[in-house]
Amino acid sequence: SAVISQKPSRDICQRGTSLTIQCQVDSQVTMMFWYRQQPGQSLTLIATANQGSEATYESGFVIDKFPISRPNLTFSTLTVSNMSPEDSSIYLCSPFVLAGTQYFGPGTRLLVL
Amino acid sequence: TQLLEQSPQFLSIQEGENLTVYCNSSSVFSSLQWYRQEPGEGPVLLVTVVTGGEVKKLKRLTFQFGDARKDSSLHITAAQPGDTGLYLCAGVPAPFTPLVFGKGTRLSVIA
Repeated sequence: SAVISQKPSRDICQRGTSLTIQCQVDSQVTMMFWYRQQPGQSLTLIATANQGSEATYESGFVIDKFPISRPNLTFSTLTVSNMSPEDSSIYLCSPFVLAGTQYFGPGTRLLVL
Repeated sequence: TQLLEQSPQFLSIQEGENLTVYCNSSSVFSSLQWYRQEPGEGPVLLVTVVTGGEVKKLKRLTFQFGDARKDSSLHITAAQPGDTGLYLCAGVPAPFTPLVFGKGTRLSVIA
């Protein structure tokens, strides 16, 4: 398994601002996935981030709204830009450790007022 | 996009009862995972099933992967209040692709 930490663990933000979420893994991983979990819902994939290349976004998610960085094999950031109350969710990073198995950290709880 | 239909969406039972959660798809998955998530936490991996027909047991939890690798079930025997949480099934459509999640089953076990 992998030890995954995220910062911040939670935040309350004002409409129109941006928040950058950091994800740190204790081992080198090729792919990092970012998910969103809206209140009471399941997980939805936002994008796949590989080191040294642009992230690949799923339908409904765009780079201008959710820019992602992947500067090395143990770290990634997701920015939620120009936030609105609809962005209130839990944001989770998940490293691709073993084929067919993904682990999750505690996530970042975001509330946008 | 491959979809996973998970049922039931909500389940409230008495302590000691048995229950089964189902995860179905029309598509084949190379593997399937079950996670449990408690409030304020990320999903915690319970099991990964890979082979069609595979059955895995984790104490009072029994996981089964369908022969055709299109469906899976989670059976809990003699449920306890500590089993309360959100149960998520998630499948890998193909090697090195991200998980596709079902909508989850919110289980409440009442003492």
